[in-house]
Amino acid sequence: EVRLVESGGRLVQPGESLRLSCAGSGFRFNGYAMYWIRQAPGKGLECVSYVSGGGFATYYTDSVKGRFTVSRDMSTDTLYLQMNTLRAEDTAVYFCAKGRNSFGAFDIWGQGTMVTVSS
Amino acid sequence: EIVLTQSPATLSLSPGERATLSCRASQSVSDYLAWYQQKPGQAPRLLIYDASNRATGIPARFSGTGSGTDFTLTISSLDPDDFAVYFCQHRSNWPPTFGGGTKVELK
Repeated sequence: EVRLVESGGRLVQPGESLRLSCAGSGFRFNGYAMYWIRQAPGKGLECVSYVSGGGFATYYTDSVKGRFTVSRDMSTDTLYLQMNTLRAEDTAVYFCAKGRNSFGAFDIWGQGTMVTVSS
Repeated sequence: EIVLTQSPATLSLSPGERATLSCRASQSVSDYLAWYQQKPGQAPRLLIYDASNRATGIPARFSGTGSGTDFTLTISSLDPDDFAVYFCQHRSNWPPTFGGGTKVELK
């Protein structure tokens, strides 16, 4: 079964850091681009970051550039999102998703992990 | 960034009826458009990719058409399981963006 499982979300204070993880299974993990997509409570979807299959290319949405870093560990089939200097507006459910192909539609999603930034 | 505008915001229909959802892009996205279904508390599920291709396991009652800036998702006969929110998303360039969603609710 193709599966993605996120973890690491919790309540943090503004300015703190957090690392999210996403474990993949059931597919050739390093063969596909991976994404982090977030959804603020009651809001729409926003693509936060992209990492290529080989891990060499990354992209970020403007609001997180310089604060978030995406990476992947090929040895453990795990995707990471290091989030620094968190702000209240980063509060959201964070999903990891597999690209159908390079820059493709998101065909497999994890269940999501909730990040709350509040004092 | 490309803005996707979905209409209507809410569609009130009964099981068995036809649902027609629209997505308009602020500039051409060719056929690089996908549709997703999301139910409360769940992750989105891919329905249609590249404007008209059904994803694996998606029933034939779901179909997508369009290219350039105007796209349509049609559900030919609503099943009780289809009442949900539907999002469109482009992959034409970075960042891929989503529309604001159309809620298909029970009339």
